[in-house]
Amino acid sequence: DTAVSQTPKYLVTQMGNDKSIKCEQNLGHDTMYWYKQDSKKFLKIMFSYNNKELIINETVPNRFSPKSPDKAHLNLHINSLELGDSAVYFCASSQVTGRGEQYFGPGTRLTVT
Amino acid sequence: GQQVMQIPQYQHVQEGEDFTTYCNSSTTLSNIQWYKQRPGGHPVFLIQLVKSGEVKKQKRLTFQFGEAKKNSSLHITATQTTDVGTYFCAGGGGYSGGYQKVTFGTGTKLQVIP
Repeated sequence: DTAVSQTPKYLVTQMGNDKSIKCEQNLGHDTMYWYKQDSKKFLKIMFSYNNKELIINETVPNRFSPKSPDKAHLNLHINSLELGDSAVYFCASSQVTGRGEQYFGPGTRLTVT
Repeated sequence: GQQVMQIPQYQHVQEGEDFTTYCNSSTTLSNIQWYKQRPGGHPVFLIQLVKSGEVKKQKRLTFQFGEAKKNSSLHITATQTTDVGTYFCAGGGGYSGGYQKVTFGTGTKLQVIP
């Protein structure tokens, strides 16, 4: 039973398109995150949600819009995709914000051509 | 803002040699976590340290949290090919809207030569 799942696993699209990535966790955690991992493997936090509420937004362009319909789901919608958006996007969850184990999803590799 | 740097960025070791990665924060941390990411995989939690000067061991892995809670290290004794991957520290500290933030370090990629 997968703890944190993401769909799709791979996403190839053209510049200017809009795409969404979905994330679900079945751990009962209150906090969920989106991370971007670039080609140099740096892991950068994008957003944090606590119980469906946005708590951290790390100066991400407003083309990125997260949505949390309930505390088990955190989706990421990206408008007007750019070449620089190509990366692996990880969803994660934790019981407590900023402390304790984060459980990561398998990642979504986004390629913008 | 809080920055967490790791050195070295890359390390190649012969199987059986020891390996250490160092993590340094620009600010005092409330806790430090360590994660391992295998090639093509996702980060997996290894451990969390919260006390100043704390040392924890997991088999061949030894984790330390500095006295000033601004640095940490991960030491692997007698590396094996299964240790290959990128090791990240993640520092808890700083607040945004009342919630504590976690900042991931820059990572150390370990290659083990059989």
